[in-house]
Amino acid sequence: DAKTTQPPSMDCAEGRAANLPCNHSTISGNEYVYWYRQIHSQGPQYIIHGLKNNETNEMASLIITEDRKSSTLILPHATLRDTAVYYCIEGTGANNLFFGTGTRLTVIP
Amino acid sequence: EAGVVQSPRYKIIEKKQPVAFWCNPISGHNTLYWYRQNLGQGPELLIRYENEEAVDDSQLPKDRFSAERLKGVDSTLKIQPAELGDSAVYLCASSLEDRVAYEQYFGPGTRLTVT
Repeated sequence: DAKTTQPPSMDCAEGRAANLPCNHSTISGNEYVYWYRQIHSQGPQYIIHGLKNNETNEMASLIITEDRKSSTLILPHATLRDTAVYYCIEGTGANNLFFGTGTRLTVIP
Repeated sequence: EAGVVQSPRYKIIEKKQPVAFWCNPISGHNTLYWYRQNLGQGPELLIRYENEEAVDDSQLPKDRFSAERLKGVDSTLKIQPAELGDSAVYLCASSLEDRVAYEQYFGPGTRLTVT
């Protein structure tokens, strides 16, 4: 069963920030939070991961709460090409990733 | 850098027929994964290889599914015989396990339709 909880769907206006929440209240101390996305008819694509500090890369920012029970993926300026299913996953490198059903983000023109 | 390559991209077969999927991981990646993705669901792991060794095949239906990873590089996933419920997208991924946390790189998948 999925260990993370995400809303099934979200909309975001093009050019605005997309904030995707994730609850992972049972996360272990050595588990990371990973975010992947899957654009229609493609394989999943890695976005970002973090342990307890906030992280930023060229694709997104990841904000993890101090208690590590939840996180938010931020796409600062959403484009139509960001329309995808976004998966929040907790795990260590040695553990297999459990994808769940994710959040379907629709960027609206 | 070339990504994970999978073939074929699409396959339609009749039930009870055999089918095979091929995966070429990113060069140098020691870990290879096969996932199955049903419509509307996230990918589910079938088998994980570290080099040539299958380190986790607990979710692989061994009565009809088999996999191999020759020389720790390419991999083949086979279904024999296929059933209607095997219709899904089969995804291959690879990773380089050189640190505590690492990302997986996915291929485009093979969409299997069993009629």
